[in-house]
Amino acid sequence: AQTVTQSQPEMSVQEAETVTLSCTYDTSESDYYLFWYKQPPSRQMILVIRQEAYKQQNATENRFSVNFQKAAKSFSLKISDSQLGDAAMYFCAYRLFSGGSNYKLTFGKGTLLTVNP
Amino acid sequence: DGGITQSPKYLFRKEGQNVTLSCEQNLNHDAMYWYRQDPGQGLRLIYYSQIVNDFQKGDIAEGYSVSREKKESFPLTVTSAQKNPTAFYLCASSIKGSSSYEQYFGPGTRLTVT
Repeated sequence: AQTVTQSQPEMSVQEAETVTLSCTYDTSESDYYLFWYKQPPSRQMILVIRQEAYKQQNATENRFSVNFQKAAKSFSLKISDSQLGDAAMYFCAYRLFSGGSNYKLTFGKGTLLTVNP
Repeated sequence: DGGITQSPKYLFRKEGQNVTLSCEQNLNHDAMYWYRQDPGQGLRLIYYSQIVNDFQKGDIAEGYSVSREKKESFPLTVTSAQKNPTAFYLCASSIKGSSSYEQYFGPGTRLTVT
């Protein structure tokens, strides 16, 4: 079974600084997707960034980028120029690329990010 | 505007009562999902449905039931058999056949059972 581990229950960063959130996962599959979701205090889940395992290039979305290390099964999220609005719970998630249960997302337990002014 | 609607935002029930949580989407998505979120936990999958009139159990289906009679609706019933029903419940949907299978989430329902 696939598992996703986020080893940092809480992180904090100063406004305008950079922070990296860690995520590791365990799978025997070679084709899969990895996601970072953001859940602000409103509790609405918002997709931040997505990475396809077959792509070597790290995904980037504006101030958000990932460091995907397939061999190490590591998928960290870097937030540059942190803003107050980035404060939220961040969840790392895994999904198989194809197969009978390819719709299932497996989530980590989350990292609570605080942004200090 | 397209999106996912969950109602109500807060729901209170007495122990021993069944309660149904609503989830409606107008995104024309084929697949729909129910997740449960507890403090300090990630989201855990309860049930999912890939097409109308078909659904599968997720990781924590015991004490829950669902139906999928219409493409846009996927209600979740929390039965009296669910031992710890108090939680935050999230509904999601995705396009079947999409290369990304990105899941879009509703705003959630906070259920409190006393």
